[in-house]
Amino acid sequence: EAAVTQSPRSKVAVTGGKVTLSCHQTNNHDYMYWYRQDTGHGLRLIHYSYVADSTEKGDIPDGYKASRPSQENFSLILELASLSQTAVYFCASSEGGGAGQDTQYFGPGTRLLVL
Amino acid sequence: GDSVTQTEGQVALSEEDFLTIHCNYSASGYPALFWYVQYPGEGPQFLFRASRDKEKGSSRGFEATYDKGTTSFHLRKASVQESDSAVYYCALGGNRIFFGDGTQLVVKP
Repeated sequence: EAAVTQSPRSKVAVTGGKVTLSCHQTNNHDYMYWYRQDTGHGLRLIHYSYVADSTEKGDIPDGYKASRPSQENFSLILELASLSQTAVYFCASSEGGGAGQDTQYFGPGTRLLVL
Repeated sequence: GDSVTQTEGQVALSEEDFLTIHCNYSASGYPALFWYVQYPGEGPQFLFRASRDKEKGSSRGFEATYDKGTTSFHLRKASVQESDSAVYYCALGGNRIFFGDGTQLVVKP
């Protein structure tokens, strides 16, 4: 019954390779987000989207692309993975009405290791 | 710009101790304020929120009061349990949400 799911849950990638992280939500929410979590840095916003086929840059978008093909699905793409992108990635969703005012619901995270 | 500061990076307590985690914010107007909790191996979970000055949010024995005068939203619990061990995030909601760096709470039995 989990409302936000992520796949894969963990991944090992090679430097320079392409990585795609997927997120699916059944909350019927308009907003979806991608965050990265590193020790000592909390949660940092990479990209977000408030409608299908449109994405917005967050605080640390460099090296990442995002895709929102439908209301339910939101992907994060690393075209050329680098060592510095080793982290845990979280997807989240929230209702419409303003990206900051609404409660966000998080997925379980994807642990990415780039070698 | 909008920001949130959590003073403590880590807090270590024994069971039944009183908990305070400090959260101060910088923003104009009346932003929504949140607390989230993250247990090991999981994503952050919404704990509670407040939207107006002097409003108290609470859940699971945790509480915080929105204080515009001191721009604070400190998390408190009267008696912590080992199961409360987790990372706690204060967050500010304006045109988008801003998370603090998180506070690791370790409760020893």
